[in-house]
Amino acid sequence: VMTQSPRSLSVTLGQPASISCWSSQSLVHGNGNTYLHWFQQRPGQSPRRLIDQVSMRDSGVPERFSGSGSGTFFTLKISKVEAEDVAVYYCMQGVAWPHTFGQGTKLEIK
Amino acid sequence: EVILAESGGGLAQPGESLRLSCLGSGFNFNMSWISWVRQAPGKGLEWVANINHIGSETYYVDSVKGRFTISKDNTKNSVFLQMDSLRVDDTAVYFCGRDSGWGSLDYWGQGALVTVSS
Repeated sequence: VMTQSPRSLSVTLGQPASISCWSSQSLVHGNGNTYLHWFQQRPGQSPRRLIDQVSMRDSGVPERFSGSGSGTFFTLKISKVEAEDVAVYYCMQGVAWPHTFGQGTKLEIK
Repeated sequence: EVILAESGGGLAQPGESLRLSCLGSGFNFNMSWISWVRQAPGKGLEWVANINHIGSETYYVDSVKGRFTISKDNTKNSVFLQMDSLRVDDTAVYFCGRDSGWGSLDYWGQGALVTVSS
């Protein structure tokens, strides 16, 4: 089970934001890799991957997005929120089947 | 440019069947795992199923096991989701995505709406 907190977040432009994601089991595979990914879904759009395997930012993803964590606890941080960051953010575990998403965190601008 | 395009959505009554297709282009489809993820109206994302590059391995979420079948035809650059015994709670937008490994979907389609209602 993947649990995200908070479920919603209201942030002033230019301020930081942080989203936490807990797993009920370790997401470390026997090969040593950790299969926790982050996705962004803007209103009316398909999801988009932001972060692969805890901390690897996708091409084109702004540097203000960063991922960290290990084992069962992970964090997505936005250093300075911009208007285009309004979206729902999901963590997802891929270490075991079925793969599972967190419930999502809705980011709004205050 | 990588493109994934879903088709085949629509309206079905409970107990009926629908078949979704996902057509991929712009990448080596033969070497790619493909996943299906769905999103019920106003709800979050739910991983549904995936299939390996040659179609020999498939995995499903428990709620669709025995009712949905994922398959892959590399000659047509397509993945299919056969949905049988549909239920009202299968109503959702269904996205297909290229799985770059261990559930990490790096490209997504635009989604296909499936509505199950009497």
